[in-house]
Amino acid sequence: AQTVTQSQPEMSVQEAETVTLSCTYDTSESDYYLFWYKQPPSRQMILVIRQEAYKQQNATENRFSVNFQKAAKSFSLKISDSQLGDAAMYFCAYRSARNYGGSQGNLIFGKGTKLSVKP
Amino acid sequence: GAGVSQSPSNKVTEKGKDVELRCDPISGHTALYWYRQSLGQGLEFLIYFQGNSAPDKSGLPSDRFSAERTGGSVSTLTIQRTQQEDSAVYLCASSSAGTSGETQYFGPGTRLLVL
Repeated sequence: AQTVTQSQPEMSVQEAETVTLSCTYDTSESDYYLFWYKQPPSRQMILVIRQEAYKQQNATENRFSVNFQKAAKSFSLKISDSQLGDAAMYFCAYRSARNYGGSQGNLIFGKGTKLSVKP
Repeated sequence: GAGVSQSPSNKVTEKGKDVELRCDPISGHTALYWYRQSLGQGLEFLIYFQGNSAPDKSGLPSDRFSAERTGGSVSTLTIQRTQQEDSAVYLCASSSAGTSGETQYFGPGTRLLVL
């Protein structure tokens, strides 16, 4: 079974600085997808960024980028120029690339990292 | 267009009562997921609907939990004889076709408190 581990329950960053959130995962599969979701106090989970395992290039979305190390099974999120609105819970998630019905369709989440942004 | 909606936003119930939680997915999305977010447990998968296929119920924690999806759209998660350990946020998500690389769009969740 696949597992996702986020080893930092809480992180803090100064506004305008850069912070990196860690995520490691365990899988025997070679093809899968990885995601970072943000959950503000409103509880709405919002997709931040996604990565296809078959792509070597790291995904980037504006101030958000990932460092995907497939061999190490590591998928960290870097937030540059942190803003007050970035304060939230961040969840790393895994999904198998197998595309038939079954529990492989669901996301497997880490326990989350609570990010605080100091003004 | 409108996102995933869930109702009620919050629900307080007494132990032993039944509750129904509703999810209205994004129009046209054929895949629908229920997750539970418990304090200290993170998010766990409950059930998955894809089109007209039989749902994947492998994540349901007990037979007190059931879900249905009518007309391929709205879904209802029912918890019978609620227990205090059922207290959690129940999140619903939908995606357009259920393929593995797709983004799952989440609703705001229903916070359930069982007294």
